[in-house]
Amino acid sequence: DVKVTQSSRYLVKRTGEKVFLECVQDMDHENMFWYRQDPGLGLRLIYFSYDVKMKEKGDIPEGYSVSREKKERFSLILESASTNQTSMYLCACDGTASGANVLTFGAGSRLTVL
Amino acid sequence: GEDVEQSLFLSVREGDSSVINCTYTDSSSTYLYWYKQEPGAGLQLLTYIFSNMDMKQDQRLTVLLNKKDKHLSLRIADTQTGDSAIYFCAESLIRGATNKLIFGTGTLLAVQP
Repeated sequence: DVKVTQSSRYLVKRTGEKVFLECVQDMDHENMFWYRQDPGLGLRLIYFSYDVKMKEKGDIPEGYSVSREKKERFSLILESASTNQTSMYLCACDGTASGANVLTFGAGSRLTVL
Repeated sequence: GEDVEQSLFLSVREGDSSVINCTYTDSSSTYLYWYKQEPGAGLQLLTYIFSNMDMKQDQRLTVLLNKKDKHLSLRIADTQTGDSAIYFCAESLIRGATNKLIFGTGTLLAVQP
């Protein structure tokens, strides 16, 4: 089974701090994703990457950047954290199962910005 | 447009059937999915259905797809307290070279003993 590990489960940061969220997958999957999850809004795609050093904006990229220096690692960066970035952040990678695009998610990183 | 809608909350008694509904707007969806999120965890794939099918059954789970009405449902038979979770439906869309998943808002299923 593919495993997706998010190293930080809970973080508390102050407004203006730089925040790094790390995600590592243990399979050779090209595509990796960062979502944020907010009550009543579901999951919204922030950024995704389809190869090393390749990235594309999702639906809500403002205030975020990403880094993919190695295939197994995809980092989400908040250059200057703000209170409206308090959320649950979910990393995922995808494989295929009988043609279906199947996402495997990490356990999530809950970020609180004070 | 790309929009997936679900009701936010469903409460059932243990042993009853649960039906979670979802509507989507894009008729070009290739696959539709149901994911489950238990407290404190990420999302886990439950099941998926190809868009040219209208039903898929997997043990206690039955997925029904009405493509004409763009309506997807997940039925859980003999619901157990361990089924309490948030259930997300998602549609798979191909935009250029990208295969993108659009998620609904999630339905919180509460199972009363």
